[in-house]
Amino acid sequence: DIQMTQSPSTLSASVGDRVTITCRASQSINNWLAWYQQTPGKAPKLLIYKASSLESGVPSRFSGSGSGTEFTLTISSLQPDDFATYYCQQYNSFSFGQGTKVEIK
Amino acid sequence: QVQLVQSGAEVKKPGASVKVSCKASGYSFTGYYIHWVRQAPGHGLERMGRINPNTGVSNYDERFQGSVTMTMDTSINTVYMELSRLTSDDTAVYYCARGAFTGSRAFDHWGQGTLVTVSS
Repeated sequence: DIQMTQSPSTLSASVGDRVTITCRASQSINNWLAWYQQTPGKAPKLLIYKASSLESGVPSRFSGSGSGTEFTLTISSLQPDDFATYYCQQYNSFSFGQGTKVEIK
Repeated sequence: QVQLVQSGAEVKKPGASVKVSCKASGYSFTGYYIHWVRQAPGHGLERMGRINPNTGVSNYDERFQGSVTMTMDTSINTVYMELSRLTSDDTAVYYCARGAFTGSRAFDHWGQGTLVTVSS
């Protein structure tokens, strides 16, 4: 099984900050990597697919990069709606990272 | 617009089974996989398996082999996930999610989630 490891587990930031979350795969997944945002009580929402493709309707302050085993999600200027938990997912066998909670500093 | 609408919350006793439905609309039902993902309280996301509504073929993640069954009714564009021999560890929100056959856009639409509580 492919293991996905996110860091950090929790991140404290302020509105306007640039935020970066890292996701590492236990083996190469090429660019088969997605990022989701989840707010409390809601279903996850797709932000990024194929490592760097922005899902339709997602603000351009979100971006993804990486290939192989190391990937990043960047939020260029954190907005109030962005305080949430973020998950990466590899879609060879569809396992998720453990999540990164972005909280208000 | 694409919608996945799930059945309501359930409370079950240990050892029982639960069947959750996911009704699709706004797209070609047989053109996409439906995956099931669960989330225990305060925990992360765990994929359980998927069904191909075009063929009826299901694939289950190893952890759920023998305890989960995914079925469908194409006449009403609905997929079902049945989990048997429930324990307290199965208390979770269960989500269905759409995934393209090519896999290119991962899980692009999700149901609203169904809370299953297992308690004696």
